Amino acid sequence: QKEVEQNSGPLSVPEGAIASLNCTYSDRGSQSFFWYRQYSGKSPELIMFIYSNGDKEDGRFTAQLNKASQYVSLLIRDSQPSDSATYLCAVNIGSNYQLIWGAGTKLIIKP
Amino acid sequence: KAGVTQTPRYLIKTRGQQVTLSCSPISGHRSVSWYQQTPGQGLQFLFEYFSETQRNKGNFPGRFSGRQFSNSRSEMNVSTLELGDSALYLCASSVGTRNYEQYFGPGTRLTVT
Repeated sequence: QKEVEQNSGPLSVPEGAIASLNCTYSDRGSQSFFWYRQYSGKSPELIMFIYSNGDKEDGRFTAQLNKASQYVSLLIRDSQPSDSATYLCAVNIGSNYQLIWGAGTKLIIKP
Repeated sequence: KAGVTQTPRYLIKTRGQQVTLSCSPISGHRSVSWYQQTPGQGLQFLFEYFSETQRNKGNFPGRFSGRQFSNSRSEMNVSTLELGDSALYLCASSVGTRNYEQYFGPGTRLTVT
């Protein structure tokens, strides 16, 4: 059973601090990794994707991938109240075009 | 470029009825995936269509079905609705080849009474 695990939270972070979200996956064949943000009542929005080991930065967001330890992280610098949302991690395995999804981490940024 | 569109946005049906939901993907995208999301649950994968063929399927009963047309638009159908089918139904489109990024539509909120 291929699985993607996330801490459900809520994760509470003060405004201006760094929020760190983690995701572990079970299948070593995983090749592509995605972070989505979902506001309450809205649909998921793709915010970051990463294919190779290391870090990928986009504005205040950094995705970190460690294939040896089978985890991918999302760092949000200078957290803002507007970052409060549920963050979903998704993983693609091999050449299958189906994404395996984590249950999401609820992030709360406190002013 | 226009995003993914879904119709209708809201729907109320009675138990035992059937429903058809529609999804128009981003122009140039040939893959459409369907998901069910209920409160407190993660995204549950229903199926994925690519070039009019079902390429992947989740673990839902046969009451849930779908199809894709030659213009890549997709429909999903739920027959004999049950109260537990009340959910947000999301479709996501992707290129379908070479990369795996999916882009979601706004969803259809289905309520079964």
